Amino acid sequence: NAGVTQTPKFQVLKTGQSMTLQCAQDMNHNSMYWYRQDPGMGLRLIYYSASEGTTDKGEVPNGYNVSRLNKREFSLRLESAAPSQTSVYFCASSGQGAIGSPLHFGNGTRLTVT
Amino acid sequence: AQKITQTQPGMFVQEKEAVTLDCTYDTSDPSYGLFWYKQPSSGEMIFLIYQGSYDQQNATEGRYSLNFQKARKSANLVISASQLGDSAMYFCAMRGRVNSGYSTLTFGKGTMLLVSP
Repeated sequence: NAGVTQTPKFQVLKTGQSMTLQCAQDMNHNSMYWYRQDPGMGLRLIYYSASEGTTDKGEVPNGYNVSRLNKREFSLRLESAAPSQTSVYFCASSGQGAIGSPLHFGNGTRLTVT
Repeated sequence: AQKITQTQPGMFVQEKEAVTLDCTYDTSDPSYGLFWYKQPSSGEMIFLIYQGSYDQQNATEGRYSLNFQKARKSANLVISASQLGDSAMYFCAMRGRVNSGYSTLTFGKGTMLLVSP
């Protein structure tokens, strides 16, 4: 099983450009998440989707939009990239119904905005 | 609101020694879960261990154990017999119960562990 697959692995953007980060999971999980990781900040939640058809803001949603395309796919869009969005982005998924369900992470996307 | 605090930015340990990584948390949720993740230099996030707030015994997974002290709101990770491959960043995280569901995972800032030969 592939688990959680993120594309692309690396991306360089210029300020003002837009892009979409793709994420797909094959574990039949209901919940999906987008986090960003910055040095010394841990992982911070951008958006999440508790189930297909719903999305909610996390801790740092400004400058991002998301789409839960279907149960498998959850994309993150940067409409007008800014240098402050330089980060490593992780997509994750989890099953539903148990507080102890761990998040399964993709391998991350390293984004640089110049 | 939930908060996770990891006060050790970096830790050093010699191979085969045990090491404890500290984690304290703050939450008003009556029920919650605590997680530890490992992030090696390759970047992936690896789930290590889980402890539920109502679990009577401390969780263990191989060389990993979670020293859960509910009254002190601490959930320290203990790695026994450290190996060179344990060198990585370690994150503590928690999830609480809200209404009919549960909240998302909140992470601490991490502790970098270096294991020396």
